[in-house]
Amino acid sequence: SQQGEEDPQALSIQEGENATMNCSYKTSINNLQWYRQNSGRGLVHLILIRSNEREKHSGRLRVTLDTSKKSSSLLITASRAADTASYFCATYDNYGQNFVFGPGTRLSVLP
Amino acid sequence: EADIYQTPRYLVIGTGKKITLECSQTMGHDKMYWYQQDPGMELHLIHYSYGVNSTEKGDLSSESTVSRIRTEHFPLTLESARPSHTSQYLCASRTGGRETQYFGPGTRLLVL
Repeated sequence: SQQGEEDPQALSIQEGENATMNCSYKTSINNLQWYRQNSGRGLVHLILIRSNEREKHSGRLRVTLDTSKKSSSLLITASRAADTASYFCATYDNYGQNFVFGPGTRLSVLP
Repeated sequence: EADIYQTPRYLVIGTGKKITLECSQTMGHDKMYWYQQDPGMELHLIHYSYGVNSTEKGDLSSESTVSRIRTEHFPLTLESARPSHTSQYLCASRTGGRETQYFGPGTRLLVL
């Protein structure tokens, strides 16, 4: 069964605006990760947040985690056209062995 | 850029052909994975390996097979390709103690 699920499925914004995407998951986690995928490419790791952290920053990225609501959000500030990509959250599967990726949010940043 | 490579990057092939998708990593990672992904859609785990001579099927049923004879190499084989196999195949790896997973660039397969 799917562990993580992002919303919205697609998001279109203007350059300079902020983009927020959300991830919900089902079971207890040790950490949650966000990945980016440019069209036709593999995924690239962006940031990892542990279950005892509530917020984490990396450059223009800000990730929050609410374990009581089993949800996380990824905020990209001052977006650029180069941020156009799909963004996936990932958590461990029910056995704690392999990662499960949500369906992703497709972000389009218009110049 | 991660040191994980996939070949070919694109493949167009006729129904019934046998194909092997190659995946190699130079990071010494023990865990390796194959995912199937339709364009713009979620990733489905089809095979994984925790080390040499260890292979397991993933969550998505697949008619493909894999082997892990060397740590760095994790090829995926389709004995008889069908149009339903048309998809993107992503290879990934990580070490047992690390949580970051590294992905190859993917192979886009089109079966006519």
